Amino acid sequence: DAGITQSPRYKITETGRQVTLMCHQTWSHSYMFWYRQDLGHGLRLIYYSAAADITDKGEVPDGYVVSRSKTENFPLTLESATRSQTSVYFCASSEGRPTQGNIQYFGAGTRLSVL
Amino acid sequence: AQRVTQPEKLLSVFKGAPVELKCNYSYSGSPELFWYVQYSRQRLQLLLRHISRESIKGFTADLNKGETSFHLKKPFAQEEDSAMYYCALMGSRGSTLGRLYFGRGTQLTVWP
Repeated sequence: DAGITQSPRYKITETGRQVTLMCHQTWSHSYMFWYRQDLGHGLRLIYYSAAADITDKGEVPDGYVVSRSKTENFPLTLESATRSQTSVYFCASSEGRPTQGNIQYFGAGTRLSVL
Repeated sequence: AQRVTQPEKLLSVFKGAPVELKCNYSYSGSPELFWYVQYSRQRLQLLLRHISRESIKGFTADLNKGETSFHLKKPFAQEEDSAMYYCALMGSRGSTLGRLYFGRGTQLTVWP
């Protein structure tokens, strides 16, 4: 589990600021995911990536931008943070396509507060 | 549309009592179902998946396609089972292929 790390663990920012959440995995997993966790909504997929330079939208992509220039990194950027983006953000990775029996492993999460 | 429903936000039982966390799903294909657990201050981790038919930490879950359910059960709850439990569905076709859809979670508290 220590193979996927998120930083920072906690972040407080102000409305309108740009924020980047980092995700790094050491397993060379092909697939990476970003979720947000909110009370009453569970986890919702923001973006995912099947490989370097390949990304796709999830359920709630609006207001977020991702990039995947290297296999091991999958940063999530809030271009102009809003209060509604206050949440806990989880990064996950899986070795291969999840439908082929590959399990998703989760990072410890980043708790973001937008004031 | 795919949907995972966990009707109980909170569930409390006493140590040694049986526990059942309910999960119902809606999906037109053949989904793969999972249970994830998040202990206090820890990351989300896979508890079990229906294709494995395993018993993990005494928990079992059976996929009932007729009732579209995947309830999580344990005959004798322990205090260390206290956690947030998420049921998740993985899509098997089209735009849902390989994506996990989570329920809203059930917070289980096991009292001593």
